[in-house]
Parts: sequence; C-alpha cells; structure tokens
Amino acid sequence: GAGVSQSPRYKVAKRGQDVALRCDPISGHVSLFWYQQALGQGPEFLTYFQNEAQLDKSGLPSDRFFAERPEGSVSTLKIQRTQQEDSAVYLCASSPHRVQNEKLFFGSGTQLSVL
Amino acid sequence: DAKTTQPNSMESNEEEPVHLPCNHSTISGTDYIHWYRQLPSQGPEYVIHGLTSNVNNRMASLAIAEDRKSSTLILHRATLRDAAVYYCILRSSRVFGNEKLTFGTGTRLTIIP
Repeated sequence: GAGVSQSPRYKVAKRGQDVALRCDPISGHVSLFWYQQALGQGPEFLTYFQNEAQLDKSGLPSDRFFAERPEGSVSTLKIQRTQQEDSAVYLCASSPHRVQNEKLFFGSGTQLSVL
Repeated sequence: DAKTTQPNSMESNEEEPVHLPCNHSTISGTDYIHWYRQLPSQGPEYVIHGLTSNVNNRMASLAIAEDRKSSTLILHRATLRDAAVYYCILRSSRVFGNEKLTFGTGTRLTIIP
C-alpha cells in the first residue's frame, strides 16, 4: 500500500559531509513529523510541519539540522557538517488532519552512520 | 508533559495473553492514552488509544484504571509477530502545541515459541 516512504534506507557519511534525507508522506496528509532514534532509545521529536509551515522545530539539536516542506508534501531533512553523534535512525511520520488524536503513520526510517 | 512508566522488558509464551502495564500518575484530564509498537527495523505503528473507557480493536484491548493513573495493553493471544517494543504515550487533546508524540523507552516484549 501507499505508506510513508523514506529514502535512502541507509546512508553512510564521512564526518563533515552534508546529507539530505527524504520523506514522502501519505498523499493528502497535512501533518508531517521528523524524529531521531538513537540505538536502544525511543524516538525523539525533531520538528513538525502543517502543510508547508514549520510550526515546531524545538527538537532540532543544533543549527546544523534543517528541514523543509516547500509544497506541503515531500519533506527533506538536511544535516550539515555531520558529526558522529548524528548517527541514528531518522523517522518520518504523517497524519491526515490537524486533530489531536489522529494516529501517526511512520515510515521505516533512514539509518545514518557517520564515520 | 505528563510522563509514563513502563517495565523495560517482558516475556510471554506464544498463544498466551499478554498484559503490558503503564503507569501515568500525573495524567491530566485532557490527556489521551496512546499505545504504539515498533517491530525490529520498522517505524512505530499505532496500536490503540483511549480516554476513560476500555477500548477494543482488532489488534488489542486497552484497559484504563478508574482513576486513570494506570492502564494495561492486552494482547489476547500473542504470536511471534507481536515481538516488539511497546510505547505508552500521553497525548493532550488541547489544540495547540501538543501535536507531537513524546516517546519513552517502552517495554521490549519477547515472545517465547
């Protein structure tokens, strides 16, 4: 079925490289979330979009992290000058409406390894 | 945000019921109780949610204590495919500023064949 799609599935970067992670949400979904999940931990919130508007970026760990969703559908999470501590799984989720108890649909994530 | 407390891990035999507990003593009146699970190498998936009354769906049942300070996710007949990390999450029903889910470390459920 047409679930949330993330690419690439795996990314290996050298320290200092820039990376871009893509999320294709379910068609028509208004809300889009990015999470970071370190090994053995639960997902940590990074940022939230409603359509093209970034309404919450309180979880972005530094100004090296940047997310965009220019047309209100596909979103890209960019990490500049990657560091080893950025190694994690990056998860994208979407939900249909701006309603509090809508369930979130998650992608399978992009596993980023910074060497 | 109100916090939840779950056991780090649990084991259960295949084809037996599983009861996964969650404590949330600081829950507010506007907080819904959500459960998600995460299978290996997958993103989390929604299981069930409720406010005050017990809830049932095709995946599981949610039993909520009368004082709402605890809840239990019930898998009626566990299969090997239910082996996952289960997260209990409180989510406010207020409109602004609480759209995100805040995950803890969850309960790792192991199913014994």
